[in-house]
Parts: sequence; structure tokens; C-alpha cells
Amino acid sequence: AQSVTQLDSQVPVFEEAPVELRCNYSSSVSVYLFWYVQYPNQGLQLLLKYLSGSTLVKGINGFEAEFNKSQTSFHLRKPSVHISDTAEYFCAVTLSGGSYIPTFGRGTSLIVHP
Amino acid sequence: DTGVSQDPRHKITKRGQNVTFRCDPISEHNRLYWYRQTLGQGPEFLTYFQNEAQLEKSRLLSDRFSAERPKGSFSTLEIQRTEQGDSAMYLCASSGTGGVNQPQHFGDGTRLSIL
Repeated sequence: AQSVTQLDSQVPVFEEAPVELRCNYSSSVSVYLFWYVQYPNQGLQLLLKYLSGSTLVKGINGFEAEFNKSQTSFHLRKPSVHISDTAEYFCAVTLSGGSYIPTFGRGTSLIVHP
Repeated sequence: DTGVSQDPRHKITKRGQNVTFRCDPISEHNRLYWYRQTLGQGPEFLTYFQNEAQLEKSRLLSDRFSAERPKGSFSTLEIQRTEQGDSAMYLCASSGTGGVNQPQHFGDGTRLSIL
């Protein structure tokens, strides 16, 4: 069975600073990887996904993530954050040829200070 | 694409009452999922449907929980004899035809509070 670990429960950062939110997964087979964002009192919204091909994936709102197979990681980055990026971020994985049920990490709360 | 719609957005009820939530997925999506989310946690999978067939229900939290999708369109999640521990956000998501690489589209959830 696959698992997802988001190493940081909370990441505080100042506005316009860069940020990296970490995600590691465990799986013995090929995976598909997703990052979602959740604003207060809303559902999750897809930021970006890695399916195959280029390991650097660009998403909405200026976010990008890099798939690293050897380190089983899929870290999310943004070079310059805004106050409006304050939200909960979730990493998720499904297995190639596996179940349609994704596994979600526990989430990282990104807090952007002015 | 009108998005996934959930109703109601908030539900407050007394312990022991039954509650039912509705989810309307994106119209062309054939898979529909229910999750529970508690504070500070990621979505916890409960059950999912492919069209009208419920393909996984072993992870429903107890036999008080049940879900239906009678015509393969909207779905309902019912909790009978609610308990204080049922207080949470209940999220619905849908995904399109295709493989496991399809992302999920989430509704804004129903927040349940048990008095």
C-alpha cells in the first residue's frame, strides 16, 4: 500500500519570500502525484499533477513541483509568495494500475506574513 | 463545468438524529467519492461509486454510515444515530472517465456539528 508523508505541519513565511512544501511517498510501483490547495471553508482545488514525462511540473498560481523518483519526493515550490497563498496544501498519490482511491497526506498549513 | 455541488453547507443537529447530505458531481464525471475531514487532517476516504455501482464501502466508518447513487448522477451520504465524534467536514469529489491518473474535483463540503 502507498503512503504519503508531508514533513511539515506548518510553514510560516514572509510575503515575497520563496517557499518549499515537502512531500514524500512510499510505493513499489509507478505513481501519479497531485498537489491540492484548500482555502478556509472550501473544498480542495487541484494545483498541479505529475503523470509522466518532465519531472518539473508547473501549476496554477505560480506554483511548481519536481518529481524525484530516487528520493520518492514531490516537493512544491513557489519563488515568491503572496498573502493570498495562505491556505492548507495537500499532497496525494495514486498507483499506476492500482485503485482509484488516492492517498492524501495530512497537509501543510502555509502561513504568509506581511 | 459547473463544479461539484454539496448541500447543505452546514448542518447542526442533536446527538442521535439522522442526517443526509447530497452531492451533485460534474455532469460528465462517472466516479464520485465521499471523504471525511477533521481539523488539521487530510481527507479520509469513506466510499466511492463508479456510475451507480458502489465499488468500495469497507472504509465507511461504521454501519451507521451509508451512501447511495441511485441513477449514477447525484449521491447521498446518510449518518444514522449521530454521535459527537461524527462532527467533521464531509467532502464529495468527482473524477472523469480514464485511469487512476484523473485528478479529483471537490465540492465545498458539508460541515456537520453535533450538539
